Amino acid sequence: EVQLVESGGGLVQPGGSLRLSCAPSAFAFSNYWMTWVRQAPGKGLDWVANINQDGTKKFYVDSVEGRFTISRDNTKNSLYLQMSSLKVEDTAVYYCARYPDSGGWWLDYWGQGILVTVSS
Amino acid sequence: SYELTQPPSVSVSPGQTASITCSGDVLGGKYASWYQQKPGLSPVLVIYKDNRRPSGIPERFSGSNSGSTATLTISGAQAMDEADYYCQAWDSSAALFGGGTKLTVL
Repeated sequence: EVQLVESGGGLVQPGGSLRLSCAPSAFAFSNYWMTWVRQAPGKGLDWVANINQDGTKKFYVDSVEGRFTISRDNTKNSLYLQMSSLKVEDTAVYYCARYPDSGGWWLDYWGQGILVTVSS
Repeated sequence: SYELTQPPSVSVSPGQTASITCSGDVLGGKYASWYQQKPGLSPVLVIYKDNRRPSGIPERFSGSNSGSTATLTISGAQAMDEADYYCQAWDSSAALFGGGTKLTVL
């Protein structure tokens, strides 16, 4: 069964940094585009960043450009989101998710989510 | 930037048909997808490529997309379908989401 498991969340002060990880299983991770999507408390889904199969293409929502970095290590079967200069408005549950290998641009599997709280 | 607009809430009686709309500029020229999210859980893909159902999604879920509006239809809505629903489309290398619609079955 395909699974995505996020880790690394927690409480951080404004201006601080945090690195999220996502561990995939039961599929060939290196063949898939991956993404991070976040959801602020009581709010809707917001796309954060995309990365292609070999990590050479990365795209970000404007609000995190220059502060967040998406990356992957296909040898370690891991997806990452390095977050720096964190703001209170970055507080959210962060999900990693997978695009299908058929070239479609929808998200067929999601992790359980990890909470990031930015507060002093 | 591209935006997708959904009604904040939709109500339906059990056994009736619920329709949730998603509007965006020339959305019919893109593929629309839909996700169901129940409280405390991760989103689940219920419709992709406008009208295709992933395995395991009940036949009562269907979708359409034309012009500037995509529609998720739930035929014979059940209490278990009460959830938040989000539309999504791809634009400029980003997965864009609508604001979400809370479906109440009562």
